[in-house]
Amino acid sequence: SYELTQPPSVSVSPGQTASITCSGDKLGDKYACWYQQKPGRSPVLVIYQDNKRPSGIPERFSASNSGNTATLTISGTQAMDEADYYCQAWDSSTSVFGTGTKVTVL
Amino acid sequence: EEQLVQSGAEVKKPGESLKISCKGSGYSFISHWVGWVRQMPGKGLEWMGIIYFGDSDTRYSPSFQGQVTFSADKSISTVYLQWSSLKASDTAMYYCARQSENAFDIWGQGTMVTVSS
Repeated sequence: SYELTQPPSVSVSPGQTASITCSGDKLGDKYACWYQQKPGRSPVLVIYQDNKRPSGIPERFSASNSGNTATLTISGTQAMDEADYYCQAWDSSTSVFGTGTKVTVL
Repeated sequence: EEQLVQSGAEVKKPGESLKISCKGSGYSFISHWVGWVRQMPGKGLEWMGIIYFGDSDTRYSPSFQGQVTFSADKSISTVYLQWSSLKASDTAMYYCARQSENAFDIWGQGTMVTVSS
């Protein structure tokens, strides 16, 4: 079955840039999306179709997808960005989430 | 406002059956797929599968095929997730979410299912 691998954790200082990777076989040939989940809350879509931001998502969230890796970038990270982040992609007629990355803003 | 509202928390015993619901409002559901996602305590998100409101076509993750059943009632804009015989390992938060542009853009608030003897 298809798998997406993310680093378990990423630490970033306020105002700096955080990058979260998502690796999967030929992931660049598929659409990737990203979700933010804060404790006790439902996930929120922050990026869809590789690099599009839904309405209401701040411009500091951006993403790319090429080769075997999709990357979510948070520029000028704020304390409110501390959360778990998950990538998702489709393989044939099913989908899978990445393993998740906890972003800590120190 | 477009939203998905899920049924309340459930506490069940192993071997019991259960059906939880997810009701949509504020948009036309007929033209969308709705998915189910499991999150076990302290763990990540797991894609269980999706169901199409229009004709109840379903796609299951291999990990959940045969373990759960999705259904839909167009007349009340509601989708369901059902178990015929619960196990302790089914204890988790279950989310429904609307699929749009290859992503889940609207999520329900989640239904906590606890299975314990």
